[in-house]
Amino acid sequence: QSVLTQPPSASGTPGQRVTISCSGSNSNIGNNFVYWYQQLPGTAPKLLIYRNNQRPSGVPDRFSGSRSGTSASLAISGLRSEDEADYYCAAWDDSLSGRVFGGGTKLTVL
Amino acid sequence: EVQLVESGGGLVQPGRSLRLSCAASGFTFDDYAMHWVRQVPGKGLEWVSSISWNSGSIYYADSVKGRFTISRDNAKNSLYLQVNSLRAEDTAFYYCVKGDNGLPYYYGMDVWGQGTTVTVSS
Repeated sequence: QSVLTQPPSASGTPGQRVTISCSGSNSNIGNNFVYWYQQLPGTAPKLLIYRNNQRPSGVPDRFSGSRSGTSASLAISGLRSEDEADYYCAAWDDSLSGRVFGGGTKLTVL
Repeated sequence: EVQLVESGGGLVQPGRSLRLSCAASGFTFDDYAMHWVRQVPGKGLEWVSSISWNSGSIYYADSVKGRFTISRDNAKNSLYLQVNSLRAEDTAFYYCVKGDNGLPYYYGMDVWGQGTTVTVSS
């Protein structure tokens, strides 16, 4: 059972907009920056969104992040087949004095 | 270009030890916190340990506390993870990850290495 809660799966058709949620608490998302990672099959995770809503250089602006209270979300617009991957949210947890991850969301592009 | 190259993984018997290393390049190593994250094949990501830029703040997941030791050598641009008393459940892919700040808390992680495999089996 992960401290951050994500839906195990999500799907969409090419061109659609998909949102992945990440629910936490005041000790993690509510008080610390949220990060999102994309993991393509057989590869290491890659940073997608940092500090709640910032995009690293090289990440398409189709990807966006937001945080509200103790929840965060990742939105992917203009869905493409290459977006098919696992997506993880993460944050520091003050109560646990450790980093916590969501369980991951497997995105399928239909 | 930021690069993190892990080494030291392998097949080890339960109860034995390993030392994982991570060679960093392409950035000012002693400006950033560093982290270890592991992943059982087919499963999610699990944070293992974090160390601040100056080794002044160190944190461990409860699952490894007392058995794993994180350290860094800023002169050698290297991160280490001493893993002792290995258990079958420690079998995983271990990633070295760069922090995006000198502190291991509040902020997060940005660049990931390719990982090294640790298999604990008799």
